[in-house]
Amino acid sequence: DVKVTQSSRYLVKRTGEKVFLECVQDMDHENMFWYRQDPGLGLRLIYFSYDVKMKEKGDIPEGYSVSREKKERFSLILESASTNQTSMYLCASSLRGAGANVLTFGAGSRLTVL
Amino acid sequence: AQSVTQLDSQVPVFEEAPVELRCNYSSSVSVYLFWYVQYPNQGLQLLLKYLSGSTLVKGINGFEAEFNKSQTSFHLRKPSVHISDTAEYFCAVNPMGYSTLTFGKGTMLLVSP
Repeated sequence: DVKVTQSSRYLVKRTGEKVFLECVQDMDHENMFWYRQDPGLGLRLIYFSYDVKMKEKGDIPEGYSVSREKKERFSLILESASTNQTSMYLCASSLRGAGANVLTFGAGSRLTVL
Repeated sequence: AQSVTQLDSQVPVFEEAPVELRCNYSSSVSVYLFWYVQYPNQGLQLLLKYLSGSTLVKGINGFEAEFNKSQTSFHLRKPSVHISDTAEYFCAVNPMGYSTLTFGKGTMLLVSP
């Protein structure tokens, strides 16, 4: 089974801090994604990457950046955390190629910004 | 652009009763369709997917969904629910040729004794 691991399940940060959310997958997937989940809003795509050092903006990239230096690792960075970035962050990965994009998700990282 | 509408934010049901969670989508191209389930304090888990072929798709835990192209719907059903089915359910669409999925806002299924 594909395993997607998000290193931090719960984080509490202060406004203005730089925050790193790490995600690692162990099945050689090319595609990796960061979503944000908020009550009543569902999942919204922040950034995705289809290869090492490649990144594409999703629907809500403002206030976030990403880094993909190795195929298995995709990091989400909040340069200066704000209270409206308090949320659940979900990482996912998938194989690239013809056909459907079947995502495998990590357990999530719940971030609280005070 | 594509979109997904989950018509009910919350569905309360008694144990052993049938349930249907509704999902409608819009897209300018053909799509793949998914249902994911999220149990409390966990990530999302794939429940079932429609890629092609038979419009009735069976998934894990006794769930099934039917793709209706003319009505652009992909409703999820289970004939008899259990307490353990209490979770949030997300419908998602992946337009063919695109790398990303668009998710609905989720439906919370609440099963009570």
